[in-house]
Amino acid sequence: SQQGEEDPQALSIQEGENATMNCSYKTSINNLQWYRQNSGRGLVHLILIRSNEREKHSGRLRVTLDTSKKSSSLLITASRAADTASYFCATDEGGSNYKLTFGKGTLLTVNP
Amino acid sequence: GAGVSQSPSNKVTEKGKDVELRCDPISGHTALYWYRQSLGQGLEFLIYFQGNSAPDKSGLPSDRFSAERTGGSVSTLTIQRTQQEDSAVYLCASSPGGGLWTQYFGPGTRLLVL
Repeated sequence: SQQGEEDPQALSIQEGENATMNCSYKTSINNLQWYRQNSGRGLVHLILIRSNEREKHSGRLRVTLDTSKKSSSLLITASRAADTASYFCATDEGGSNYKLTFGKGTLLTVNP
Repeated sequence: GAGVSQSPSNKVTEKGKDVELRCDPISGHTALYWYRQSLGQGLEFLIYFQGNSAPDKSGLPSDRFSAERTGGSVSTLTIQRTQQEDSAVYLCASSPGGGLWTQYFGPGTRLLVL
């Protein structure tokens, strides 16, 4: 079964609004990562949160992790048209230190 | 510095032909990954190389798929007797290894099998 399922599948907002995407997973993890993908090409790493962390910030990004609910959220504040992309969460399977499992992603559209 | 590069960017082939996809990882990165991404889907793990260790090939979908990594650097993913369902974007990533597993992705090769 798929680890790291994101929701919603698609999200459309106006520039300046906040965007929240969620990720759920099934097995225990050591780390969870969020990646961004533009136009179906290469992914760019955004942020990594460890299982003993609850919240992490990077610029306009805020990631939370709730290991009891096996879920994470990615918040993008004050969104810009350039934030339009697909966002994926990735988890390690059962504590693997190299193998990441990606969800199907959330397609975010930020309208100018 | 240079990122991960992949070639070709796009490849159109006929069903039954063999294709080779190339990945040049970031210099010094010991870990290298191949993924496949079908339209609108997430990434499907194919294979992982780490240094001189035996690769993890557990994600290869069939024996038509194989990959090599020469000299711990450049990698080639080969698909033999391509099928239409092989059409996808093939992504390569590298990481420094040693437990540092933030992955750095190349731009991908878009493969279309007619």
